[in-house]
Amino acid sequence: GAVVSQHPSWVICKSGTSVKIECRSLDFQATTMFWYRQFPKQSLMLMATSNEGSKATYEQGVEKDKFLINHASLTLSTLTVTSAHPEDSSFYICSAMFQTNSGNTIYFGEGSWLTVV
Amino acid sequence: AQSVAQPEDQVNVAEGNPLTVKCTYSVSGNPYLFWYVQYPNRGLQFLLKYITGDNLVKGSYGFEAEFNKSQTSFHLKKPSALVSDSALYFCAVRDEKAAGNKLTFGGGTRVLVKP
Repeated sequence: GAVVSQHPSWVICKSGTSVKIECRSLDFQATTMFWYRQFPKQSLMLMATSNEGSKATYEQGVEKDKFLINHASLTLSTLTVTSAHPEDSSFYICSAMFQTNSGNTIYFGEGSWLTVV
Repeated sequence: AQSVAQPEDQVNVAEGNPLTVKCTYSVSGNPYLFWYVQYPNRGLQFLLKYITGDNLVKGSYGFEAEFNKSQTSFHLKKPSALVSDSALYFCAVRDEKAAGNKLTFGGGTRVLVKP
């Protein structure tokens, strides 16, 4: 199947700093990627849809200026958590849409653990 | 609007016994249905999907799911569970009429397979 890579897997940052998480589709081009947040023992919460070459579409309640999303190429989307605070600590997961003749399938990255201290 | 329900928070099954994880959905158009599995501290792995065609869909690791339109269900099944199947399972749906290709996930069902 298609492979989506996320980096870093784990990151610890100080409160007030910014941290960037990368999401790459390794063997296919993805015009659309998605960013999710997952709290322990909970389901995935969609944060935003990342569109190549255009602005991301954020879900209601997600701060655009805090969670900056850039989809610079067909294989890379980045999520930057700006001025991070301890409440931003979470598991962030990206996914990319793989388009085939039989329909679209969404593949997920391995996730990135963010701890803000 | 599209929604998914996984009525069971946890399913316990003995190794070698059949495993079923339930999922029901609600969409206004035709559903695109997916099952994913998540192991601890990992991302989601795609298991299978239903877009159209045969109601019984076969996927990875011996899993299959049956699409039932009248019951709006898409239950995940495995004839003989393995201890290594212990994980968190998510059902997801996308309404064919919905713009943006966004998936809506169920709350997840934790599967525990005991030796």
